[in-house]
Amino acid sequence: NAGVTQTPKFQVLKTGQSMTLQCAQDMNHEYMSWYRQDPGMGLRLIHYSVGAGITDQGEVPNGYNVSRSTTEDFPLRLLSAAPSQTSVYFCASTKRGGYNEQFFGPGTRLTVL
Amino acid sequence: TQLLEQSPQFLSIQEGENLTVYCNSSSVFSSLQWYRQEPGEGPVLLVTVVTGGEVKKLKRLTFQFGDARKDSSLHITAAQPGDTGLYLCAGEEGSGTYKYIFGTGTRLKVLA
Repeated sequence: NAGVTQTPKFQVLKTGQSMTLQCAQDMNHEYMSWYRQDPGMGLRLIHYSVGAGITDQGEVPNGYNVSRSTTEDFPLRLLSAAPSQTSVYFCASTKRGGYNEQFFGPGTRLTVL
Repeated sequence: TQLLEQSPQFLSIQEGENLTVYCNSSSVFSSLQWYRQEPGEGPVLLVTVVTGGEVKKLKRLTFQFGDARKDSSLHITAAQPGDTGLYLCAGEEGSGTYKYIFGTGTRLKVLA
């Protein structure tokens, strides 16, 4: 199993550009989440999904869109990139039940100029 | 939104020393998790505590959940250079929501 994969690993955008960060998991987990990590801020929840077709907002959803058409994929879309969105983005998946262990991907480092 | 504050923010100690990291909130959490993150990687779960007063041990690491489920601590005995990393606590808002709030993190460096 590959676990949770994220692409790209690095990305540089100009202000106003749009892009999609990809996240996929092959563990058949019901739950998936997107976080951003900024220095001194820990991880902040952007959006999450409890199953295909169901998404909800986290702490910092503005400027981001998500969709969950399949169990495996949970892409994060930046509609119009801003310098404040410069961050490291992590995707995580969790199997329902048990202790809700979150399995994280390796992250995408995004810089918006 | 519930907040989780961790202290200290940074910690640099010598190999063999003991240390404690704290995770505090004014809100109640149904469960609390501790993760360790190494540079360039995603966080990896160390433990989940779910019952007030619960204590869990993982080799040299001891985790405690406060009686009121508002705080937690991580104690490391005889720290080793391999313990170096960013330690994060995370609490679940409500129960069964799958909405996790992360603490600000404690960056630990253990010197050989």
